[in-house]
Amino acid sequence: DVKVTQSSRYLVKRTGEKVFLECVQDMDHENMFWYRQDPGLGLRLIYFSYDVKMKEKGDIPEGYSVSREKKERFSLILESASTNQTSMYLCASSLARQGLSPGANVLTFGAGSRLTVL
Amino acid sequence: EDQVTQSPEALRLQEGESSSLNCSYTVSGLRGLFWYRQDPGKGPEFLFTLYSAGEEKEKERLKATLTKKESFLHITAPKPEDSATYLCAVQAYFNKFYFGSGTKLNVKP
Repeated sequence: DVKVTQSSRYLVKRTGEKVFLECVQDMDHENMFWYRQDPGLGLRLIYFSYDVKMKEKGDIPEGYSVSREKKERFSLILESASTNQTSMYLCASSLARQGLSPGANVLTFGAGSRLTVL
Repeated sequence: EDQVTQSPEALRLQEGESSSLNCSYTVSGLRGLFWYRQDPGKGPEFLFTLYSAGEEKEKERLKATLTKKESFLHITAPKPEDSATYLCAVQAYFNKFYFGSGTKLNVKP
């Protein structure tokens, strides 16, 4: 089974702190994504990456940055955390950029990182 | 505007009481419709992918169907362990997924 591991399940940070959320996948997937999930708003895409060192903005990139130095690792960075960034953060990965098989576009999610900014 | 709407927001059923969850979408160029299950405090877990109108998929007590404008997740004789939030997502192109807000299902014994 594909595993997506998010290193921190629960974090509490103070306003203005720099926050790193780490995500690692173990099945050689090309694509990796960071979403945030808020009640009533569904999942919203922050950033995604389709290759090492490649990244593209999602729908809500403001206040966030990402890093993908190795294929298996995708990090989300909050340069200066604010209270409106309190949320559940979900990392996901998928196999291929062009859907070569029915399963290629299935998103496999990590368990999530619940961030509280005080 | 591209969007995905799920209804109802919450659903309470008695064990054995069959029902359906709805996912309607206004996304052009659908490449796939995905159903996920999410348990409290966990990430979504993949259930089904549907690619074309008329397609159906089944897994245990769950059956997903797709038309040109909506998808249904039918739950037959549910059990308490089916309690979860069910998410629907529509893929517009390789990296773009539109997610609904989910239906929270509670099955009482």
